[in-house]
Amino acid sequence: AQSVSQHNHHVILSEAASLELGCNYSYGGTVNLFWYVQYPGQHLQLLLKYFSGDPLVKGIKGFEAEFIKSKFSFNLRKPSVQWSDTAEYFCAVKKGPSGTYKYIFGTGTRLKVLA
Amino acid sequence: DVKVTQSSRYLVKRTGEKVFLECVQDMDHENMFWYRQDPGLGLRLIYFSYDVKMKEKGDIPEGYSVSREKKERFSLILESASTNQTSMYLCASSLIWIRGTIQEIANTGELFFGEGSRLTVL
Repeated sequence: AQSVSQHNHHVILSEAASLELGCNYSYGGTVNLFWYVQYPGQHLQLLLKYFSGDPLVKGIKGFEAEFIKSKFSFNLRKPSVQWSDTAEYFCAVKKGPSGTYKYIFGTGTRLKVLA
Repeated sequence: DVKVTQSSRYLVKRTGEKVFLECVQDMDHENMFWYRQDPGLGLRLIYFSYDVKMKEKGDIPEGYSVSREKKERFSLILESASTNQTSMYLCASSLIWIRGTIQEIANTGELFFGEGSRLTVL
């Protein structure tokens, strides 16, 4: 079945450690890729997105992600995490015909950063 | 700023009750979505709508229906609530996106989410 997979369900890091969260998708053709973040008690918000062009995209708060088409991957990275990055992170794929697209989300990764 | 408002943050209902979850967005977005969020399962799409009175089934539509009578409002209906529908329900909206048009260029493709409605069915 077509899906979006996030390999790490829970990640615990110390402040200043580097972060990489995996995301793989199984949809063919053109896809648009997103990472969303949900801070404790807050609504989901966009972290970064890939539509086309440079496969290395930069988002807010020092996050970046690399689209590797051959691997169907869109991994999220941050060189040095902070305590305030504690949140749940969701990878998503936008797929569908023009006008009636839908977003498919992964199962999420809970990140806890220890001060 | 885009604002997506869900009418109820917390609801407690009994099995068999009819439940309405309301969502309103203030940015004239064409597309609206209902997801449920469960631990370990992420967000799963229930229904979406790309125009007034139009609706499409998502991945888990069973036990749910929707209504979109006005562009800004998208309602999720549980005709007869069951305990397995205890969950966090998220509404989202987005601009329409049509490949090869000015909308594709202008549209970031971003989904804007509401705060969520936590439903408990006893």
